[in-house]
Amino acid sequence: GNSVTQMEGPVTLSEEAFLTINCTYTATGYPSLFWYVQYPGEGLQLLLKATKADDKGSNKGFEATYRKETTSFHLEKGSVQVSDSAVYFCALTLIQGAQKLVFGQGTRLTINP
Amino acid sequence: DTEVTQTPKHLVMGMTNKKSLKCEQHMGHRAMYWYKQKAKKPPELMFVYSYEKLSINESVPSRFSPECPNSSLLNLHLHALQPEDSALYLCASSQGRTVYEQYFGPGTRLTVT
Repeated sequence: GNSVTQMEGPVTLSEEAFLTINCTYTATGYPSLFWYVQYPGEGLQLLLKATKADDKGSNKGFEATYRKETTSFHLEKGSVQVSDSAVYFCALTLIQGAQKLVFGQGTRLTINP
Repeated sequence: DTEVTQTPKHLVMGMTNKKSLKCEQHMGHRAMYWYKQKAKKPPELMFVYSYEKLSINESVPSRFSPECPNSSLLNLHLHALQPEDSALYLCASSQGRTVYEQYFGPGTRLTVT
């Protein structure tokens, strides 16, 4: 089956620290990969995406590279801010087939000033 | 315009009430989705409409009844809900049958008393 595994949270960092949130996946086909972010009390926002191997998605200082050989899509940011505090979801969808997003369990990130 | 709007923002209803949630998008997307999200969990897919036809029902109880009056609107009719149905209900849309990213609304926070 298709699944996404994220590192367990919560993750607490100081402002300007380096961030990595690990995400690995299992898929029967060739998935597209996404990171969504959910700020407190809000819906999900698409943060970045990658649709094929070796693609790098980037947005707002966040980056993730689609690694087919390690089935991973780790989220990184070089210097986090307090405003980055949120829950981050890694997700996949198959390019062909059912119209479903498969989510990881989410990682809660807290950035302290 | 990459916005999905949802109304109401908050809803409190008794177990004998009938209410409806509304979702709207004007991005020309032809697929629309309802998700249910419990605290500290990822969203769970409930229904998918593709080109205004119901394409996926994830075995949702009949007390939830979706409706897609046109390509821009999606409703979720609620009747005889249970307290465990209290959750954040998220609407999303995407371009069409070939799913890439989904755009989410801010959600309706539902409390069933």
